Amino acid sequence: DADVTQTPRNRITKTGKRIMLECSQTKGHDRMYWYRQDPGLGLRLIYYSFDVKDINKGEISDGYSVSRQAQAKFSLSLESAIPNQTALYFCATSDSHSRAAGANVLTFGAGSRLTVL
Amino acid sequence: GQNIDQPTEMTATEGAIVQINCTYQTSGFNGLFWYQQHAGEAPTFLSYNVLDGLEEKGRFSSFLSRSKGYSYLLLKELQMKDSASYLCAVRDPTGGFKTIFGAGTRLFVKA
Repeated sequence: DADVTQTPRNRITKTGKRIMLECSQTKGHDRMYWYRQDPGLGLRLIYYSFDVKDINKGEISDGYSVSRQAQAKFSLSLESAIPNQTALYFCATSDSHSRAAGANVLTFGAGSRLTVL
Repeated sequence: GQNIDQPTEMTATEGAIVQINCTYQTSGFNGLFWYQQHAGEAPTFLSYNVLDGLEEKGRFSSFLSRSKGYSYLLLKELQMKDSASYLCAVRDPTGGFKTIFGAGTRLFVKA
C-alpha cells in the first residue's frame, strides 16, 4: 500500500458541483499539504497543516477549503467547482521531527486529476 | 517576490552528462531541493542542499551557491529512465516555512 493515498485518482465534474479530494497517510508525519500542478506553472501550494489544530492558507487558497480530520487525514474541498480549477492535485506530507533535511522532504501521493467541465 | 527559474526543456544523449540549472529569488532561504517527476507520477525527492557546495549521491550531484541564488543538478551516465521532469524547490522560512517550486525542467534522453 502507498504511504500517501489520494482518492479519487480521476474525477470529471461539472461547473458548480462540490468536490472533495481525500488524502490519508501511514507515514506518521505531522505535516500535510495540498498542491495543484498546472502545465508550465509547477506546483503551487493551496493549503497546509502542521498539526491537527493548525490550518494555513497557501498562495492560491481562494475557492478551496480543507479539513484535517486526524493526523493521518487531510481533505481538500472545492465548494463550487469552476473550469480553471481543472488541474492535477497532489497531497504531500513531511515530518518535522526528522533530523536535518528529512524534516523538510515532501512525500507525495500519486495525484488526483480533476476536470471541471 | 518569490521566483524560481529553470529551463523548460533539455535534451541529452544516453551515457552523457547533463546539468540542469536553477536560479531563485525568495524572501528567505532554508534549503534547496531537487525532485524528479516522471510523466503522470508523483514527484520524488532527489537531493537537498542547505550549505554552499556540492552534494553527491550516486549518478546525481547537486550544487548550491547561496550568494548567487543558484543551484544545479548534474546527472551523469544518463539512462533512458532519466527522462523526466526535474523540479527545483526552495524552502522559505518567512511566513510559515513553505516549499516553493519552480515550473520544472523536462529532460528528454535520446539513444
